[in-house]
Amino acid sequence: GAGVSQTPSNKVTEKGKYVELRCDPISGHTALYWYRQSLGQGPEFLIYFQGTGAADDSGLPNDRFFAVRPEGSVSTLKIQRTERGDSAMYLCASSSPLAGKYNEQFFGPGTRLTVL
Amino acid sequence: LAKTTQPISMDSYEGQEVNITCSHNNIATNDYITWYQQFPSQGPRFIIQGYKTKVTNEVASLFIPADRKSSTLSLPRVSLSDTAVYYCLVGGERRDSNYQLIWGAGTKLIIKP
Repeated sequence: GAGVSQTPSNKVTEKGKYVELRCDPISGHTALYWYRQSLGQGPEFLIYFQGTGAADDSGLPNDRFFAVRPEGSVSTLKIQRTERGDSAMYLCASSSPLAGKYNEQFFGPGTRLTVL
Repeated sequence: LAKTTQPISMDSYEGQEVNITCSHNNIATNDYITWYQQFPSQGPRFIIQGYKTKVTNEVASLFIPADRKSSTLSLPRVSLSDTAVYYCLVGGERRDSNYQLIWGAGTKLIIKP
């Protein structure tokens, strides 16, 4: 079956611009996570959805970052007024409703965001 | 917070057994121990999870002592394709708040021919 997909795979933008990153989770997975990862570091948690609602958005670094999941499937991470420090790999993961929040997460290939 | 400590890097050779130990002194009663593998330019991939004693699957074993303050991921007979970064995570439900899995920098494992 299809895994988690993320688009685009690469995004280059200019400082100050707005970007949207899309995640399509595994069908039937109710939990969805967004992380960002800088080179040489582990993933940094951003936000966790259970269904359509953000169950925990404590990892969003500031109000320029926002994520939605209106129908409980596809999610979009939105970054306003991008800064060079936002450059990173943005990873999305999903997990089965049968699994607990801390159980196996399936990751997508990521979107490499570069802010010039 | 239940932080984890792992070696930054390890080297080994093809065909050897590799053991990566992770320290988590502040592990809580509800916490599970989970290991992921990550190749360059890919998302992490779940390897194994355990709560106590020993867990084994088709790719690895996880050894957890009685006090649960550490855990050891064991990879039998490694090959060059096992060269990757390995993350140890600790997390579980909290009654009073959300608790997110904290990812450290991981252990960079390099397998040599």
